[in-house]
Amino acid sequence: ILNVEQSPQSLHVQEGDSTNFTCSFPSSNFYALHWYRWETAKSPEALFVMTLNGDEKKKGRISATLNTKEGYSYLYIKGSQPEDSATYLCALRYGNKLVFGAGTILRVKS
Amino acid sequence: AAGVIQSPRHLIKEKRETATLKCYPIPRHDTVYWYQQGPGQDPQFLISFYEKMQSDKGSIPDRFSAQQFSDYHSELNMSSLELGDSALYFCASSPNPQGEAFFGQGTRLTVV
Repeated sequence: ILNVEQSPQSLHVQEGDSTNFTCSFPSSNFYALHWYRWETAKSPEALFVMTLNGDEKKKGRISATLNTKEGYSYLYIKGSQPEDSATYLCALRYGNKLVFGAGTILRVKS
Repeated sequence: AAGVIQSPRHLIKEKRETATLKCYPIPRHDTVYWYQQGPGQDPQFLISFYEKMQSDKGSIPDRFSAQQFSDYHSELNMSSLELGDSALYFCASSPNPQGEAFFGQGTRLTVV
């Protein structure tokens, strides 16, 4: 059974704080790792698709890194804003399906 | 831009009834995924289709069936509904099996 783990489960930060969370996955049979941002009452929105060891991707204040050899990816948010509050999901592509982690719930207080 | 469309958005059914959920992928997307998310749970992969053929199967009960039609829309048929089937059902489409998945708004099914 493929296990994709995310930590921490939830995070409460103040506006302006920088934060990061982790996605861990089995390093064998790696194909791709996806990060999604899921706001309440909306559908998940793709942030990044990462395929190569050492990949680093950036979108505004959000960036992600990938280490396929040790089986983890970090998502960083610089200078968190209240509108960053959401659940951040990572998903491992395995064959023709995505196996999701449980997500990290981020709440940013102003 | 066109997005993934799911219908209905909300559905209330009684136990032992049947439900059909529909998913219309983004135009020119040939891959469709179905996910179930129960209250307070991770999204669980149910089934996927590529070019109208089933490509992968997850934790989909035997009471459920799905197919992808010639116009690439997909339907998830759920029979003999149980209370535990109450969940948010997401459909996602992708331009190919390895590409980024775009999600619909979900169908919230409540079984009473």
